[in-house]
Amino acid sequence: AQSVTQLDSHVSVSEGTPVLLRCNYSSSYSPSLFWYVQHPNKGLQLLLKYTSAATLVKGINGFEAEFKKSETSFHLTKPSAHMSDAAEYFCVVIDGGATNKLIFGTGTLLAVQP
Amino acid sequence: EAQVTQNPRYLITVTGKKLTVTCSQNMNHEYMSWYRQDPGLGLRQIYYSMNVEVTDKGDVPEGYKVSRKEKRNFPLILESPSPNQTSLYFCASSFASGTLSYEQYFGPGTRLTVT
Repeated sequence: AQSVTQLDSHVSVSEGTPVLLRCNYSSSYSPSLFWYVQHPNKGLQLLLKYTSAATLVKGINGFEAEFKKSETSFHLTKPSAHMSDAAEYFCVVIDGGATNKLIFGTGTLLAVQP
Repeated sequence: EAQVTQNPRYLITVTGKKLTVTCSQNMNHEYMSWYRQDPGLGLRQIYYSMNVEVTDKGDVPEGYKVSRKEKRNFPLILESPSPNQTSLYFCASSFASGTLSYEQYFGPGTRLTVT
């Protein structure tokens, strides 16, 4: 069965410093992985996705993630945090087969200090 | 504008009073799904639909019903709501894929409180 584990429930950074949100996955085959962001009282927005093409994936708002098969990781990074990045971030894997089910991690709440 | 809409956005109700949360998408997507979000648990799938008249259970279907009579609409029905169904609900849609992974678009969410 597919699963993802987000290693930190809360991350706090200062504005202008790098962001690292960690995600490990478990999959019996090459997975499709996503990062979604949820701003307070908002819906979910896709940041980026990995579907077995390039291992370094660039997303919106300066975020990127690197798929590392040897480490079963898909960590999300950004070189310089902005106040508007404060939100909850979800690492997601898509279930195999035809169900299209998204399997969500438990989320990482990112706080950005001025 | 391509979007998924949900109504109502907020709902407070009492135990046992039937309710329906509507979901509609304007992107001609075959696939639609309902998730609930609870603190510390992420999002969990309730039901999904691969196309009109085709629905199936997700991970937490107990206490919910769905229907898919039209491609654009996928209502979530709670026949007899209970307090443990207090949650934030999201509808999502995408093109059906099978093996490809199309992006799922999410609605704005419906916050349901059952007292």
